[in-house]
Amino acid sequence: GEDVEQSLFLSVREGDSSVINCTYTDSSSTYLYWYKQEPGAGLQLLTYIFSNMDMKQDQRLTVLLNKKDKHLSLRIADTQTGDSAIYFCAETAYGNNRLAFGKGNQVVVIP
Amino acid sequence: DTEVTQTPKHLVMGMTNKKSLKCEQHMGHRAMYWYKQKAKKPPELMFVYSYEKLSINESVPSRFSPECPNSSLLNLHLHALQPEDSALYLCASSQVEDRHTEAFFGQGTRLTVV
Repeated sequence: GEDVEQSLFLSVREGDSSVINCTYTDSSSTYLYWYKQEPGAGLQLLTYIFSNMDMKQDQRLTVLLNKKDKHLSLRIADTQTGDSAIYFCAETAYGNNRLAFGKGNQVVVIP
Repeated sequence: DTEVTQTPKHLVMGMTNKKSLKCEQHMGHRAMYWYKQKAKKPPELMFVYSYEKLSINESVPSRFSPECPNSSLLNLHLHALQPEDSALYLCASSQVEDRHTEAFFGQGTRLTVV
């Protein structure tokens, strides 16, 4: 599948903002997704953005998409302890609707 | 009801055992998926069922046998597994195949092969 790269670990204090980054290589991406996986649990779709958008905001979550640099980010405002999880970015592309996941980024929120 | 329910939550089985994982959804979704997830890795697609027919088999070994008895149920039959098959097995469903913007995942079955 396509390469989707993520950094591995982020530690953030409760109440601060956290930013998770992801880069992808497929320029024909249709949708880009952010999933959250809490320990011992399944994946929860947090949000997604269509590839013709630059930004999407959903309550505490802000997704930014830079198509030129093939860079996707997720900003979580006012990070809470319940935000501690692994976050995966993923993409689907024209002609290939299978989800291509990044390696995941573990976020640890310090009270 | 936006739940995908997987049973059992945990399963330990020997290499000679036969067991089954079950997945159920009542959202009227017509596509269901099996993923395998090793520790600290992203999920890997195994199978996709669309309208109760096998649509995708990602070259999964035959010791894993999927079954979709009806539109709400998806099973994964396991036989003669290896220790390296130990993983979290995730089921997902979506309204139709590849509509991931409306897909839901179950909590997974954590499988240990001894």
